[in-house]
Amino acid sequence: ELKVEQNPLFLSMQEGKNYTIYCNYSTTSDRLYWYRQDPGKSLESLFVLLSNGAVKQEGRLMASLDTKARLSTLHITAAVHDLSATYFCAVLNYGGSQGNLIFGKGTKLSVKP
Amino acid sequence: EPEVTQTPSHQVTQMGQEVILRCVPISNHLYFYWYRQILGQKVEFLVSFYNNEISEKSEIFDDQFSVERPDGSNFTLKIRSTKLEDSAMYFCASSEPKAATNEKLLFGSGTQLSVL
Repeated sequence: ELKVEQNPLFLSMQEGKNYTIYCNYSTTSDRLYWYRQDPGKSLESLFVLLSNGAVKQEGRLMASLDTKARLSTLHITAAVHDLSATYFCAVLNYGGSQGNLIFGKGTKLSVKP
Repeated sequence: EPEVTQTPSHQVTQMGQEVILRCVPISNHLYFYWYRQILGQKVEFLVSFYNNEISEKSEIFDDQFSVERPDGSNFTLKIRSTKLEDSAMYFCASSEPKAATNEKLLFGSGTQLSVL
């Protein structure tokens, strides 16, 4: 059974600082997603990482995937208040004809001035 | 960017009643999903749907749940006899064919179901 662990679950940062959120998963998969969720809102797709060594960047966020270590990271550079949200990683669990996503518990990020 | 549309945004129902949650996936997407999120918890997979049949379902998706694509655009989730523990945000999602190199699973805005 595929399990996805995120840490930390809560992260309070000051503006301008850097930090990394970690996502470990337990069985083989070569597809990993990062989503952002604002309170009471839907899941906004941030990154899709499709292969070992994949790195994607958008603004102050950079995501990477190491399929051998079963680890993805979401790095935040020079955080700003607008990045406050909950961030989920989700790993594709192959089953049926299309698979499904197994989500981590999420990292609630709070960026303070 | 195209969006997955869900209605209603909020649904309040009495325990034991039937509810139908509706979704309009993105028009060229072929794979459809329902997920749910109990308040403050992680997002959980319920069911996937392709070619007018269920591809996979989780343990949560018991006999009280069913899905249907009644026409070419809508995708519905029915809960036959709601229980208190069915209270959650229900998300519909859709994706392009697996061969797409930038396959995104796009989520709708959700239906908040409250069972009283």
